[in-house]
Amino acid sequence: AQSVTQPDIHITVSEGASLELRCNYSYGATPYLFWYVQSPGQGLQLLLKYFSGDTLVQGIKGFEAEFKRSQSSFNLRKPSVHWSDAAEYFCAVSISGGYNKLIFGAGTRLAVHP
Amino acid sequence: KAGVTQTPRYLIKTRGQQVTLSCSPISGHRSVSWYQQTPGQGLQFLFEYFSETQRNKGNFPGRFSGRQFSNSRSEMNVSTLELGDSALYLCASSGDTYNEQFFGPGTRLTVL
Repeated sequence: AQSVTQPDIHITVSEGASLELRCNYSYGATPYLFWYVQSPGQGLQLLLKYFSGDTLVQGIKGFEAEFKRSQSSFNLRKPSVHWSDAAEYFCAVSISGGYNKLIFGAGTRLAVHP
Repeated sequence: KAGVTQTPRYLIKTRGQQVTLSCSPISGHRSVSWYQQTPGQGLQFLFEYFSETQRNKGNFPGRFSGRQFSNSRSEMNVSTLELGDSALYLCASSGDTYNEQFFGPGTRLTVL
């Protein structure tokens, strides 16, 4: 069965520092991979997605992620964090084939110090 | 384009009651999926409807059910509510390509 692991439950960074959130997945074939962000009391907003092709994908709000098949990873990065980036971040995987079932990781809560 | 809308946004029920939540997808989207979010279990897939048919189902008891109408709007129903059903219920809609899902703001259900 597919699974997603986000090893870091909480991360604190200083404003302006770089950020990397880790995500590992377990799936037999190449999955579709997503990063979502959730602010308190809000729904989920899609940051970026990977389906195929270039393994470095760019998303909204200055985020990027790199798919590494050999490590089964899809880590999210941002070169300079802003205070407004404080939120919870979820990595998710879905199987290909047109079925919209997302398997989510447990999430990483990001705090940003001024 | 208007986003995914969910009604109501907040709901308080007592144990044993039933509840119906509504989701209106993005115009043109035919797939609607439902998720439950709790602090203990995280985000879990409930089911997906596509063109009025349930296409996929998660591991939830039969008390959780749903349906989709011809205009793609969807409802989910929870019967015989339990305290553990307290959660944020999220709806997501998707077009026909690449499983990209757009989420609504959620319905916060509290069971007393």
